[in-house]
Amino acid sequence: KAGVTQTPRYLIKTRGQQVTLSCSPISGHRSVSWYQQTPGQGLQFLFEYFSETQRNKGNFPGRFSGRQFSNSRSEMNVSTLELGDSALYLCASSLQGASTDTQYFGPGTRLTVL
Amino acid sequence: DQQVKQNSPSLSVQEGRISILNCDYTNSMFDYFLWYKKYPAEGPTFLISISSIKDKNEDGRFTVFLNKSAKHLSLHIVPSQPGDSAVYFCAASRSGGYQKVTFGIGTKLQVIP
Repeated sequence: KAGVTQTPRYLIKTRGQQVTLSCSPISGHRSVSWYQQTPGQGLQFLFEYFSETQRNKGNFPGRFSGRQFSNSRSEMNVSTLELGDSALYLCASSLQGASTDTQYFGPGTRLTVL
Repeated sequence: DQQVKQNSPSLSVQEGRISILNCDYTNSMFDYFLWYKKYPAEGPTFLISISSIKDKNEDGRFTVFLNKSAKHLSLHIVPSQPGDSAVYFCAASRSGGYQKVTFGIGTKLQVIP
């Protein structure tokens, strides 16, 4: 079974631009969560989607948004990029998104904002 | 506000010895705890979990201990192997709801051959 895939793996943008990241979950998994990883903050929860609906959201500004498609694939968008948005963005999928479901992570997208 | 704290950024252990990674949490609503391992250029992989109804869970060389009164958990790796060298993340959540896992900042373990 293929794992979680994320595209692109690396991205360089400038301040003020916007970016879209993509995540394809493991086949059969209906829940997708997104995390931001930075050296000093660890993994911080952005949001979780299930059946095209956002069910949970972390403490990030509205510039961070996401969506999920009917095939469970998910995209994350960051508008008006800031230098502090430079991070590794990870997505994780699980079967139903219950809090005790095991999450399977993709390799991440490394975003650099110049 | 870090609700899950890993106060040791790094740890070095000799091969064959025990590695002990520690984690503290502040949110008393957390009742499900996990450890993930991360290698460079890869996403985190699930290692082991424990529910608050238990105080110990074991899986091969990995054992997680939970002390609810102290809001503390630890991961023991015995014996440590060079392939265990990675960043270990402690994580916590509330069971019964939707997925919203809170992670610590990680501890980098180096196992020296």
